[in-house]
Amino acid sequence: EVQLVETGGGLVQPGRSLKLSCVASGFTFSSYWMYWIRQAPGKGLEWVSSINTDGGSTYYPDSVKGRFTISRDNAENTVYLQMNSLRSEDTATYYCARSVGVWFAYWGQGTLVTVSS
Amino acid sequence: NIVMTQSPKSMSISVGDRVTMNCKASQNVYNNIAWYQQKPGQSPKLLIYYASNRYNGVPDRFTGSGYGTDFTLTINSVQAEDAAFYYCQRIYNSPDTFGAGTKLELK
Repeated sequence: EVQLVETGGGLVQPGRSLKLSCVASGFTFSSYWMYWIRQAPGKGLEWVSSINTDGGSTYYPDSVKGRFTISRDNAENTVYLQMNSLRSEDTATYYCARSVGVWFAYWGQGTLVTVSS
Repeated sequence: NIVMTQSPKSMSISVGDRVTMNCKASQNVYNNIAWYQQKPGQSPKLLIYYASNRYNGVPDRFTGSGYGTDFTLTINSVQAEDAAFYYCQRIYNSPDTFGAGTKLELK
């Protein structure tokens, strides 16, 4: 059974950093692209970042480019999201996801990040 | 950027009714869209991919259709457990990949 478990969320002050982790199990982690998607409270879904199988290619929307960094450790079956220079608008539940083909077929339960002073 | 616009924003339906919700792309996206269901307090679940293909285990009352810029998710004989938000999504790795969602409430 595919499982994705995110950790690392919490309350952080504006301008500070936070690193999220997502531990995967139930599939060959190194064979799949991985993703982070977020959802602000009461709002819709926003794709945040993608990483290819060996970590050599990463993608971000402009809203987080230069502040967020996605990485992965295939030996540890873990994908990370390093978030720097956090803003109030980054407050959201952050989901880790794995695709089937090009679609987000598996999602974690999410971890809440609150950016507030 | 291609923008995905969903309508209506919300709808209130009775159990057993048929419901149709729409997703319109600002440019041709061919059949490269998916539909997700998100119930309160839960993660989204993939329902439909490539516009009309039902994902594993999705009940056959859910049907996706459309091509190009106009897409539809139809739920035949809505059940109480279908109360949720529904999001369309075009192929990933792009900004605004998701629509804003349609909230389906049961009367």
